[in-house]
Order: sequence, then structure tokens, then C-alpha cells
Amino acid sequence: DIQMTQSPSSVSASVGDRVTITCRATQDISSWLAWYQQKAGKAPKLLIYGASTLQSGVPSRFSGSASGTDCTLTISSLQPEDSATYYCQEAQSFPLTFGQGTRLEI
Amino acid sequence: QLQLQESGPGLVKSSETLSLTCTVSGGSISRRNYYWGWIRQSPGKGLEWIGSIYYSGSTYGSTYYNPSLKSRVTISADTSKNQFSLNLRSVTATDTAVYYCATYYGATNYFDPWGQGTLVTVSS
Repeated sequence: DIQMTQSPSSVSASVGDRVTITCRATQDISSWLAWYQQKAGKAPKLLIYGASTLQSGVPSRFSGSASGTDCTLTISSLQPEDSATYYCQEAQSFPLTFGQGTRLEI
Repeated sequence: QLQLQESGPGLVKSSETLSLTCTVSGGSISRRNYYWGWIRQSPGKGLEWIGSIYYSGSTYGSTYYNPSLKSRVTISADTSKNQFSLNLRSVTATDTAVYYCATYYGATNYFDPWGQGTLVTVSS
């Protein structure tokens, strides 16, 4: 199984700040990675797929990148509504696995 | 636009079978290249993929299960009701979680959209 390790587990930032969340896979996943945003009491929402492609309707302040086994989610110019937990998910092979989540407090 | 909705008992007794159904609206579950899956979320284990099914209109669908649950899980589809279902046998307290159904297009394995989720508690 591919294990996904996210860091940090939580982060606190202010409106207008830039935040980066990292996900490291135990093997090369060739950009087969998704990022999800989950707000309290809601289902996860797909933000980015293919490591760097923005899902339709997602604000452009969200961006993703990948390099080898490392993937990053960057949120530039944080907004109050970005307060949520963010998860990465590898999509290369079964069993599909998720990172443990990063809680972002604004 | 696809919409998914989970339904089923919110309380299941230990050692019994957890059964959930996902009703799909806005499109047929037998449409080509769409996969349908179950994911659960518990405080102790985070998000865990349970399995997926691909139903292309043949008499049965292709299923893919998480090896950690494979011996207890069955995912099936009912095209007449536009639903797919999850059966998880011999449950214990560790199966207590919010269960989500979700879909993805092609073999991308990127889940979108998700159902709202349903909490299932396993009690003794």
C-alpha cells in the first residue's frame, strides 16, 4: 500500500497569508494525487486533481504541485472561508489511501 | 449534475451486518466510465477507502476492495433503482464511522461528488 504523510497536522494563519501543506508518498505516484477540503460536518470536496489541476469552480488562490514523492497544496491570500481540514489522496493504485489531514485555522 | 445520497440504519449491533445504500440522481449508474465508491471516516483512522464498483450495463460489475476489509465487504449495484450498496459483515466498534458514497469518472480515482455521509454506530 502507498502511505501518505501530510504535514503539518495543523496550522494557524491570518487572512491574506500564504499557506503550504505537504503530502509525501512512500513511492512515486506520478502526479496521481488529489486534494480535498472538508468543512465541519460536511463531505470532502475535490479541490485539485492530477496534483495540479484545479477542479471547476475552485478559486484560483488554490494551487498544487508535485515533485517525485512530494506534493504540495498552496493557498495564497487566505480567506476566512478557507478554514477547514485538507486531505491528500493518492490515486495511482489500489488501495486508495488518504493523508491524515491538515487542520487550517484562520 | 450527479447527486448521491446515503441511506441505512444509524445503529448496528456488534457482529451483525452493516448495510447502506447510495441513491444516485442526475445520471445513470450504468453510464460508461463512471465508477461508484464507498469511503468511511472515523476519528481513529481518518478517511479510508472501502471499495468501488464499475457497472457498465453487463450482468455484473467489476469490484475493487480495500484488502484490509475485503473479507467482510460486498459492494453491489441495482440499476433498476439507480442505487449501489455496501454490505459490511461481522462489524465491531472499530467500524463506527461516517460512511460516504462517491463517484469518479474514468480510472482517475478522484472522488467527485460525494454524498453528504451517514453516521453508523456499532453497539454491543
